[in-house]
Parts: sequence; structure tokens; C-alpha cells
Amino acid sequence: GEDVEQSLFLSVREGDSSVINCTYTDSSSTYLYWYKQEPGAGLQLLTYIFSNMDMKQDQRLTVLLNKKDKHLSLRIADTQTGDSAIYFCAESMGGGSYIPTFGRGTSLIVHP
Amino acid sequence: EADIYQTPRYLVIGTGKKITLECSQTMGHDKMYWYQQDPGMELHLIHYSYGVNSTEKGDLSSESTVSRIRTEHFPLTLESARPSHTSQYLCASGSALSGAARYTQYFGPGTRLTVL
Repeated sequence: GEDVEQSLFLSVREGDSSVINCTYTDSSSTYLYWYKQEPGAGLQLLTYIFSNMDMKQDQRLTVLLNKKDKHLSLRIADTQTGDSAIYFCAESMGGGSYIPTFGRGTSLIVHP
Repeated sequence: EADIYQTPRYLVIGTGKKITLECSQTMGHDKMYWYQQDPGMELHLIHYSYGVNSTEKGDLSSESTVSRIRTEHFPLTLESARPSHTSQYLCASGSALSGAARYTQYFGPGTRLTVL
């Protein structure tokens, strides 16, 4: 079955880069997503990557996909205190499946 | 990006009450979903709909029910609230467009429910 794994916590200093990692088990994944959830709020879509891509960059965010190892990462450059949140990785099979599988979320703590 | 709304944002209610959590989206999305988010932040799918008059149960067994009479509206009802229903409830929607948009979910702000 599908499974998405993330580490639970990451602590970084303000101004440093953050790297949040995610592994998934299903090689049929078509789209892989990163969502951000701030306290008391819903999930906000940050970015996604199609399975035939290796990298996608959007301002301070860089997504790297290693299909061979089924490993996805989100790098946040120049991390700010406003980046403190829970980050969810998710995968979608595509085709007729419209229900993604979410990881349990990584809590990013940015300290001065 | 979807405009998706949930009301109320916070609700404190006594055991045995009937409650309805509202979810509406203005983007004409055909797919809508309800998730329950536990204190550990894990998301559990409880109901989903791929169109009007079509609803399905998700992975998590739930005592709630849903309806989809209009495309834009997907309310969740608990006939008799219990303390075990205390949780964060997130509504999401998804587009019928092609490509990545077809598989992407957009979330509302959530309803924090507390049952005493």
C-alpha cells in the first residue's frame, strides 16, 4: 500500500537553510506536493512536482525528487520565523485516483 | 487557487447535540473532501464527493454524514456529538481541470470542534 514518511521535527536558526525530507513507497506516484500549515489554519499548497521532473524552484523554495530512492525534499533558503509551521508531503497516483496520501507532517521551528 | 470557506471556525458544544459544519467553495470544483486532523496532526479522510449527489466514506470510520446537493456546498453533520468527536475538521476541494490541477487539493481554514 501507499505510505509517506516524514521526520516529525526540524529546528533551524533564522537565516539558515531548512531541508525537510519525505520518502514514499509507491513508484506509481504522479504528483508530489508540499503543503504548509500554520497554527489554527488549514493546509496551504506550497508547490508540487511532476514525477518526470528532478527539481523545481520557486523563489526561496526548491523541491528535489529522487525517483530511484523515492525521496522528496523541500529546501527553504534563508529561513525566517514566519516559516515556522508544519509541512506536509503528499503523493497522488494520478489516473482515476483523486485522493492523495499525506505524510504526518514535519514541524519546522525557526529560532533567532 | 480555490476560495474555500468553513463555518464556524470554532465550536464548543455539549454532548448529544446535533451539529453541522459548513463548507463552501466558489471555484466550481467538482471534488470535495472532509478530513479529521488528530492532535498529532495526521490527516484522516472521512468523506469525499466527486460531484452532486455523489458521496463516499473515507478511510476513517466516522459517525458523521455528508450531503452534496449543490456543487459549491458540502456540509458535514454529526447527529449526536460526543467528546470523542473533538478535533480539527478540514474541508478541501479539487478541480476537474486537466494536469496537476486535477489531483491537487485546496483546503479551507478548518473548524475546531470541542464537545464537552
